[in-house]
Amino acid sequence: EAGVAQSPRYKIIEKRQSVAFWCNPISGHATLYWYQQILGQGPKLLIQFQNNGVVDDSQLPKDRFSAERLKGVDSTLKIQPAKLEDSAVYLCASSLVRVAKNIQYFGAGTRLSVL
Amino acid sequence: AQSVSQHNHHVILSEAASLELGCNYSYGGTVNLFWYVQYPGQHLQLLLKYFSGDPLVKGIKGFEAEFIKSKFSFNLRKPSVQWSDTAEYFCAVIPNFGNEKLTFGTGTRLTIIP
Repeated sequence: EAGVAQSPRYKIIEKRQSVAFWCNPISGHATLYWYQQILGQGPKLLIQFQNNGVVDDSQLPKDRFSAERLKGVDSTLKIQPAKLEDSAVYLCASSLVRVAKNIQYFGAGTRLSVL
Repeated sequence: AQSVSQHNHHVILSEAASLELGCNYSYGGTVNLFWYVQYPGQHLQLLLKYFSGDPLVKGIKGFEAEFIKSKFSFNLRKPSVQWSDTAEYFCAVIPNFGNEKLTFGTGTRLTIIP
C-alpha cells in the first residue's frame, strides 16, 4: 500500500516570498490533515479536511496560510507571504475516516527554511 | 483543550538497557492514546495505540505502554533497547468525543549507544 506522498521534500525561500506544498493521501482516505512541526516541538494541527470540505482550520493563520483539497483527494497548502517563524516541517497525514479511534498515517514532510 | 507532556527531552542509553519514556496528558474525559516514532530521515509511524480494554498494550519492535487512568499517564517501555531504536518518540492524545484533534507532546529524542 502506497503511503502519504508529499512534495517537495525541502524548500528554501526568502521572507515575503510565497510557497506551496503538495500532498497526496493514501488512496481511499477521506480525511486529510496538515500539521506544522517547529524544531523541538511536536506536530501541531493546522487544518483538517473531510473529503473536500474543511472540518477544522481554527489554528491556521488565515492571513497568510491557505489550503485546499479539490476533488477530495490531493491537497495543497500555501503560505503567502512567508515569515521567518514559518520555518518548520509541514506534515501531511491521512486517515480512513474522521473518528477518534482512527490511525493517522503521515508523509515524510516538507522542510521549509525561510531566510 | 487537551495537552500532552513529555518530560524527557533527550534520553541516552546503552544497548540492552531498559527504557521508560514518560507521557502525561491533561483531559477530563475519555481519550485515545498513541505513541508515534520517527526514525532518522523517515516519516512518523505508529508504534502502538490504546483505545480501550487492557491498559497494557503491545506495539511493534518489542515496545509496550501502560495506560494508568488515575495518573493520566501512558508511559512507553522496552525491556532491552537496541541501537536501531535511536529515534524521536512522540506521545499523542485525542478525545473520544467532541473536538477530535490529535494533540502531540514535544517528543523525546532517544539515543542508543552501541
